[in-house]
Amino acid sequence: DAKTTQPNSMESNEEEPVHLPCNHSTISGTDYIHWYRQLPSQGPEYVIHGLTSNVNNRMASLAIAEDRKSSTLILHRATLRDAAVYYCIHEGQGFSFIFGKGTRLLVKP
Amino acid sequence: NAGVTQTPKFRILKIGQSMTLQCAQDMNHNYMYWYRQDPGMGLKLIYYSVGAGITDKGEVPNGYNVSRSTTEDFPLRLELAAPSQTSVYFCASSYSLAGRTDTQYFGPGTRLTVL
Repeated sequence: DAKTTQPNSMESNEEEPVHLPCNHSTISGTDYIHWYRQLPSQGPEYVIHGLTSNVNNRMASLAIAEDRKSSTLILHRATLRDAAVYYCIHEGQGFSFIFGKGTRLLVKP
Repeated sequence: NAGVTQTPKFRILKIGQSMTLQCAQDMNHNYMYWYRQDPGMGLKLIYYSVGAGITDKGEVPNGYNVSRSTTEDFPLRLELAAPSQTSVYFCASSYSLAGRTDTQYFGPGTRLTVL
């Protein structure tokens, strides 16, 4: 199974950077890492994904370890609207796309 | 574009009743998915489809059926509702090539309670 390990919850202050960690120790060379987030009472929304090198987009940055067994989602300046559950998903072979319990991010004003 | 739409938003069923959850997308995506999310848990894949006429089981398919007669629509059928099927159901779609999933776009969900 393509499973990931994330902390249950994290806290951040508004306008400070947030680093959300994820372990994906069973990843293989062609497996992608995806991050989604789910705001209260909404469906998940895409944040970012990557394979080997670090990735940036307007929402966040994704830092992937050299051995690819872990990654970190970076929100550069957390806002109250970033309070959500963040899911790290290791896309394995044969359409294995498993959402774990995710990390609940609390942003304090 | 409306994106991914789901109906109904809420539904209460009695044990043994049946119903169909509707899902439609207007983005011409080839892949479509059905997930369920139990309270405090992540999403679990029920069924998915890689194109019209092609469906496959996900992690938790028992008690559900799907069909995909058009690119746009992917209904989920519950034949004999059970309390264990009380959950929030999310439909999603993506444009994917070569067997890899790509960015999935999710609908707003259907909250189903079976009493």
